[in-house]
This record gives sequence, C-alpha cells and structure tokens, in this order.
Amino acid sequence: KQEVTQIPAALSVPEGENLVLNCSFTDSAIYNLQWFRQDPGKGLTSLLLIQSSQREQTSGRLNASLDKSSGRSTLYIAASQPGDSATYLCAVRDFGNEKLTFGTGTRLTIIP
Amino acid sequence: ETGVTQSPTHLIKTRGQQVTLRCSSQSGHNTVSWYQQALGQGPQFIFQYYREEENGRGNFPPRFSGLQFPNYSSELNVNALELDDSALYLCASSRAGGLPDTQYFGPGTRLTVL
Repeated sequence: KQEVTQIPAALSVPEGENLVLNCSFTDSAIYNLQWFRQDPGKGLTSLLLIQSSQREQTSGRLNASLDKSSGRSTLYIAASQPGDSATYLCAVRDFGNEKLTFGTGTRLTIIP
Repeated sequence: ETGVTQSPTHLIKTRGQQVTLRCSSQSGHNTVSWYQQALGQGPQFIFQYYREEENGRGNFPPRFSGLQFPNYSSELNVNALELDDSALYLCASSRAGGLPDTQYFGPGTRLTVL
C-alpha cells in the first residue's frame, strides 16, 4: 500500500529566501508525481507534474525533482513571496491505479 | 476552456440524511475522480468515473455512490450521513489517454454533518 509523507508539517521563512519542501513515498513503482497548492478552505491548484521517466520539472520560480529509487521528491521555491503562503501537497499515482495518494501537506508561511 | 466547477459550495445536513454533490468537468476531459479531505489531512480517493462507469474505488463504504453523465459531469451521493462524513469534497477531472494526465481540481464542497 502506497504511503506518502511530507516533512515538515509546517514551515515559516522570511520573504526572499529559497526553500525546499520534501515528499517521500514507500512504493517506487509510480506512474507520476504531482505537486499541488491549496489555499485555506479552497480546492487544489496543480503546480507541477513529473512523469516516472522524468527527473525534474520547472515552472517559473518552482522546480520539482523526482528520485524514484529513493522514493523522494522535492519542491524548490526560489525567492519566496508572501503570496506563496499556502499548504503544499504532493500526490503519487501508481502504475495500474487510477487514484492519487496524497501526503498530509506542508503548511508554508512566508513572513514579509 | 472552462475549469472544474462544483455545487453547492457549502452544505449542512444532519445525521442519517442523504446528500448529492455535483461536479462539472473541465472542457475536453472525460474522467472524473472524487476525493474526501478531512480537516488537516490530505485528500482521500473515493472513486473515479470514466465513460459513465466506475473505474476504481477507494476504501469507502457502499453508501458512497456516484454517477457520470454523457457530458462527463458527475454526482457524488452519500446516504445515511455520519458525523465523520464532515469534510471538503473535491472532484477532479482529467483526460484519460492523454499526456500529461494532470488532474484538475474544483473548489470543493464543504459538507457539515450535525
């Protein structure tokens, strides 16, 4: 059974700093991994999707990496801004399975 | 291109009642998935519909059921509501067979069971 863990559960950093969010998963036979952002009480916004054959994806100030063999992914946010404050969730989709398995998220606060 | 929409946004029910939540998928998408997100937790997969048939189900009892219509919109029905059903219900649409198969989520329906 796939399990996804995100550490830390909460993180506060001053504006302008670069930061890394971590995601680990127990079963390396994944089809893809997706990072989402969730604002309080809202739905999920897809940030980046990495297929199992890829090592990283970039979008603007965001870069996500994937290391299947070690069961890890990181989301790197450069030059953080107060608008980046949100909960960040990672989710994996296994081969032969339609569902996404989510971690419990990292709540990020950027201090102006 | 329209996004994923859900209705209603908020709902309050009492134990034992039944509820129907609705989702309209993003234009061009043929697959709808439903998730339950309890407070402080990650979303949990309920089930997925593709071409009007259930195509995968998570660890939820049969009182959670769904439908997908020819226009790919979907309903989630929950019977005999329990207090623990209080959560944010999210639907996500995607395009089966296409890459990338990013799932796009709606804003959710907040269900409170009293």
